[in-house]
Amino acid sequence: DIQMTQSPSSLSASVGDRVTITCRTSQIIHRYLNWYQQKPGKAPSLLIYAASRLQSGVPSRFSGSGSGADFTLTISNLQPEDFATYYCQQSYSTPWTFGQGTKVEIK
Amino acid sequence: EVQLVESGGGLVKPGGSLRLSCAASEVSFNTYNMNWVRQAPGKGLEWVSSIGSDGYIDYADSVKGRFTISRDNAKNSLYLQMNSLRAEDTAVYYCARDLYDILTGYYFDSWGQGTLVAVSS
Repeated sequence: DIQMTQSPSSLSASVGDRVTITCRTSQIIHRYLNWYQQKPGKAPSLLIYAASRLQSGVPSRFSGSGSGADFTLTISNLQPEDFATYYCQQSYSTPWTFGQGTKVEIK
Repeated sequence: EVQLVESGGGLVKPGGSLRLSCAASEVSFNTYNMNWVRQAPGKGLEWVSSIGSDGYIDYADSVKGRFTISRDNAKNSLYLQMNSLRAEDTAVYYCARDLYDILTGYYFDSWGQGTLVAVSS
């Protein structure tokens, strides 16, 4: 199974900040990496797929980069509605695996 | 996106069984790959099982031999039969559609609201 390591596990940030979350995989997965946002009590929702493709309807302040085994999710100009938990997920091989999550909290 | 609505969760004793359902809103359901993903209380996401539009089935090792995924395209519905339930199966279970193309790989673009399964004596 492909192991996913997200960092940090949590962070505190202020509205307007630029936030970066990283995801490292235990083997090369090319660009088969997706990012999801989950708010408390809600289902996850897709933000970024194939490492850098923005899902329709997702604000452009979200961006993804990386390839191989190292990936980054960046939120520029953090907004109040962005405080949530973020998960990366590899789609290179089953079992599909997720990172442990990064909780973005209000400073 | 497609609208997905899960049902069938509840409290069950260890060793018991439960059948989850997921109803999809779109008539093209038969063309979609579908998945179950679960989330234990306060924990992260764990993929459980998938069934392709072609009927191909896959399971996580943690549920293999105990859970059975199926679909009824005539009813636009996805199912998860869960047998020999354990305390560690306690989670919110989400159904999710995945989309695929050779450039992007697979990704879960639509999720239901989830249904809670609690396994406890």
